[in-house]
Amino acid sequence: EAGVAQSPRYKIIEKRQSVAFWCNPISGHATLYWYQQILGQGPKLLIQFQNNGVVDDSQLPKDRFSAERLKGVDSTLKIQPAKLEDSAVYLCASSPLMGLDEKLFFGSGTQLSVL
Amino acid sequence: DQQVKQNSPSLSVQEGRISILNCDYTNSMFDYFLWYKKYPAEGPTFLISISSIKDKNEDGRFTVFLNKSAKHLSLHIVPSQPGDSAVYFCAASDGKLVFGAGTILRVKS
Repeated sequence: EAGVAQSPRYKIIEKRQSVAFWCNPISGHATLYWYQQILGQGPKLLIQFQNNGVVDDSQLPKDRFSAERLKGVDSTLKIQPAKLEDSAVYLCASSPLMGLDEKLFFGSGTQLSVL
Repeated sequence: DQQVKQNSPSLSVQEGRISILNCDYTNSMFDYFLWYKKYPAEGPTFLISISSIKDKNEDGRFTVFLNKSAKHLSLHIVPSQPGDSAVYFCAASDGKLVFGAGTILRVKS
């Protein structure tokens, strides 16, 4: 079974530039998550989709971050404009169900450096 | 406001001995707890979980203990192996998953 695919693997940009990350979840997984992991911290949820609808985006900085999941499969996360504090690993995860005992399957992440 | 805390940034253990990783939480509404393991350049992978109705769950060399009154859980790895060297994240859920900052485990051979 193929895992969660993310690209690019690394991205270096200057502040105020824009950047986009792509995620392809495990086939059949209805729930998709984007997490931000800053160095030395645990992953923090940015946005959660159930199929192509947003379930939780309470921690997404909506003035600069946006995400979409067209057709309930692939997803993109965009930052525009980027700030220095956006430097982090952006992890995509998926799960077959949305519930209390779900176990998330993570991709390898995109490491973003904002200079 | 850190709802899930892993107070030990790192732990070093000799191969064959027990590794004990600790996690504290503050939100009494958490009722499901998980441990994830992360190798460098990879995403976290699920390791073991426990529901709040239990106080212990075992899976091979890995055992998770939950003390609800103390709002504390721990992961025991026995015996520890060099391949267990990784970052271990504690996570708790009340419908929304919250992660701790992680503990780096080094198992020396």
